[in-house]
Amino acid sequence: DTEVTQTPKHLVMGMTNKKSLKCEQHMGHRAMYWYKQKAKKPPELMFVYSYEKLSINESVPSRFSPECPNSSLLNLHLHALQPEDSALYLCASSQGISPRDEQFFGPGTRLTVL
Amino acid sequence: AQTVTQSQPEMSVQEAETVTLSCTYDTSESDYYLFWYKQPPSRQMILVIRQEAYKQQNATENRFSVNFQKAAKSFSLKISDSQLGDAAMYFCAYRSALSNFGNEKLTFGTGTRLTIIP
Repeated sequence: DTEVTQTPKHLVMGMTNKKSLKCEQHMGHRAMYWYKQKAKKPPELMFVYSYEKLSINESVPSRFSPECPNSSLLNLHLHALQPEDSALYLCASSQGISPRDEQFFGPGTRLTVL
Repeated sequence: AQTVTQSQPEMSVQEAETVTLSCTYDTSESDYYLFWYKQPPSRQMILVIRQEAYKQQNATENRFSVNFQKAAKSFSLKISDSQLGDAAMYFCAYRSALSNFGNEKLTFGTGTRLTIIP
């Protein structure tokens, strides 16, 4: 299994809603990542979990809350989002934190905030 | 901070021809990794090729090869015998060679959209 899966594929939410994005991998990877990608832009790193500990938080607003319940699962909890938060949210994982460890990307969740 | 620049927003190439995508970067580090990622329309991003800065030999992966010029901080991607399936957005990316917490970040360029003309 060399896949990173993300659910849901699409999500539409209002500014007062609370929702969660889910990412899962069964490759035994110990590092997992959340990226935000706006249309026609490169991915921007949001969070990195290494060995289930938050390693990087790129000054992301607190309305985005990551959670790593175990080494295979990464969640992104969303609350009180703004329309400008609409984007493709990509999850990735890698074997470890060495630069030689390839990052495998999921297909993304396309989020629309109304 | 590191920066990655891709000066060609769009490129096109005739099927079976060769195309080169440009990437320059800026860093004060001496050891690092460079990557080319491919993101096809509505499909997952995948790694195309990787180059370790301390290796002088240019990386190759089948039809994909790089021209790595460390002094010039240049890292171009050459695609030979272009195929329709090569159509995608291509991102150049940089990563520190340090393998410790807090250095896992990939810094991406703005991307080059490659169109293959049948």
